[in-house]
Order: sequence, then C-alpha cells, then structure tokens
Amino acid sequence: ETGVTQTPRHLVMGMTNKKSLKCEQHLGHNAMYWYKQSAKKPLELMFVYSLEERVENNSVPSRFSPECPNSSHLFLHLHTLQPEDSALYLCASSQDSQGRDLTFGAGSRLTVL
Amino acid sequence: GENVEQHPSTLSVQEGDSAVIKCTYSDSASNYFPWYKQELGKGPQLIIDIRSNVGEKKDQRIAVTLNKTAKHFSLHITETQPEDSAVYFCAAVRGPSARQLTFGSGTQLTVLP
Repeated sequence: ETGVTQTPRHLVMGMTNKKSLKCEQHLGHNAMYWYKQSAKKPLELMFVYSLEERVENNSVPSRFSPECPNSSHLFLHLHTLQPEDSALYLCASSQDSQGRDLTFGAGSRLTVL
Repeated sequence: GENVEQHPSTLSVQEGDSAVIKCTYSDSASNYFPWYKQELGKGPQLIIDIRSNVGEKKDQRIAVTLNKTAKHFSLHITETQPEDSAVYFCAAVRGPSARQLTFGSGTQLTVLP
C-alpha cells in the first residue's frame, strides 16, 4: 500500500450509533489532518496532528473525537451525529503541520440518517 | 481571516481548447498558493503551486499566474484532454499554521470530446 488509505469508503449510520473512520499513511510524514468536504463548499479543516500530538482543533463539535496512536494512523470517532454531518471526510498527511504539500486519501463518504 | 473566492463554479470546454480558473484572496499576507485537482471518487491531489515571490510558474500544459497587487491568481490549462475533467481547488496560505490554509469552493471542469 502506498499513499494515504482511508476506510471505510462509505458509511451509513443512525444518529445514535458510534462508528470510527480510519486513516493510514505510508509516506513517512509527520503530520496528519482531518478535513470535511461538503458539496459546493471549501474544504473545512477539523483537526491536525503533528507527531501524534494534536496541534489544531478547529472548533469541531465534541461528537467528533480524533485519535492519533502513532504518526502513521489517524482515527475519527463518531457518536450521536446529526444529519448535517453527512459529508465526505478526507484524511491528509504532510511532512510538517503547516498545511503545505498535502497528500489526501480518497475519503470516507458518511451519511447520517 | 482569509477569504478565497473561486470562479467559475462550473466550466465546460471543448477538447483541445484552453481553460482558465480564477481565484481572488483577501489577506495580503498570503504567500503560497497551491492548486489541487480532485477526480471523481478520489481525494484532492496537488498539481501545481506558486509562491508570492514568483509571477508565473509552468509545468507542461498547466500554468499558474499570480498578481499580488490585485490579489488574484489563476490556473491555466492548455490543450485540454478528457482526463483533465475534475474539480479544481485553489488555496491561499498566509502563515505557518494549517489553520491559515484557506481553500476556494472549487471549479467543476468538464472537457467535452
């Protein structure tokens, strides 16, 4: 596997469910990111981790909980989501946490019923 | 904060013609301007970038121009091909934090055969 891999690619969940999105990077990068992509809107930064330490939390509701156990893996834990949380969630990585030269995964398409 | 406006939101061109996508930014401190291409079912991919000390940069059929005075930058694709069909995002970076990276809302480019 090369690049940035995200699983699952598609997820449907009810508002009371708990699920997790997983991201893995094989590039030796030190920083990992979660972005939210909604139709016709700019990408929204959610979280940034640098060397497993959270360096940015962009005013994201607590129903989204990130976890970075090591520099290659990033999770986004989801619980009691709202229908408006339905979107494509993109993971990215880069050499540092400045948001430059990002390598994105293909995304996890989340639908909240 | 920074505001990045991208136009047009959709663009259709005949194969072989040129395509131009324009972005304006509001913060004169922005000094790095990447462009990302997102194909259907994939994550955004960095295709070209330009720094504020350069007016133009070219890579084969794609080029980016920057006018710092007017605070706008453009992506130019010449001799378009069907595989150029994708959503293109511009972005502006105004500092060393990932929070200081702002994306435009995207342009859906369709190259008609």
